[in-house]
Amino acid sequence: NAGVTQTPKFQVLKTGQSMTLQCAQDMNHEYMSWYRQDPGMGLRLIHYSVGAGITDQGEVPNGYNVSRSTTEDFPLRLLSAAPSQTSVYFCASSRQRANSPLHFGNGTRLTVT
Amino acid sequence: LAKTTQPISMDSYEGQEVNITCSHNNIATNDYITWYQQFPSQGPRFIIQGYKTKVTNEVASLFIPADRKSSTLSLPRVSLSDTAVYYCLVGERSRDDKIIFGKGTRLHILP
Repeated sequence: NAGVTQTPKFQVLKTGQSMTLQCAQDMNHEYMSWYRQDPGMGLRLIHYSVGAGITDQGEVPNGYNVSRSTTEDFPLRLLSAAPSQTSVYFCASSRQRANSPLHFGNGTRLTVT
Repeated sequence: LAKTTQPISMDSYEGQEVNITCSHNNIATNDYITWYQQFPSQGPRFIIQGYKTKVTNEVASLFIPADRKSSTLSLPRVSLSDTAVYYCLVGERSRDDKIIFGKGTRLHILP
């Protein structure tokens, strides 16, 4: 199994550009989420989804959109990139059960100039 | 999720046993205690989870006292490759969909 796959691994954007960070999982997990991690900091939750067609906001949702049309995919959209969105982005998934741990992807390193 | 408190950073030497304690005074009856490890430039990975008493796997042990208001992650005979950030999370998934990570404990292993 591939687990959680994030693409691209690296991306450089200019301020105002838009892009989509892709996240796919092949474990049939109901729950998926996006985090950002700034240098030397912990992870902050952006958006999450408990199943196809259901999304909700995390701690830092502003500037980001998500959708969940399938169980496997959970893309994160930046509509108008800002330098403050320079960060490493991690996607995670898990079963929606009481003690299910999260499985993380390897991250996308985004720089906005 | 229950609020957790853990040390910001710890140093230890190769070959030592390292214990990282996490306080969670407001843990709920159905909450589990889960620890993640994050190496530089990688996503966190699950290392161990417990509900009460002691849990051991090939990576670590987790000690949970009877009142469950704290837990201790124990790493036996650490090596340089155990240098990482360790996160303690407390919660129960059917109630807590917003899975919030704290700042974790930055463990630095010295030669």
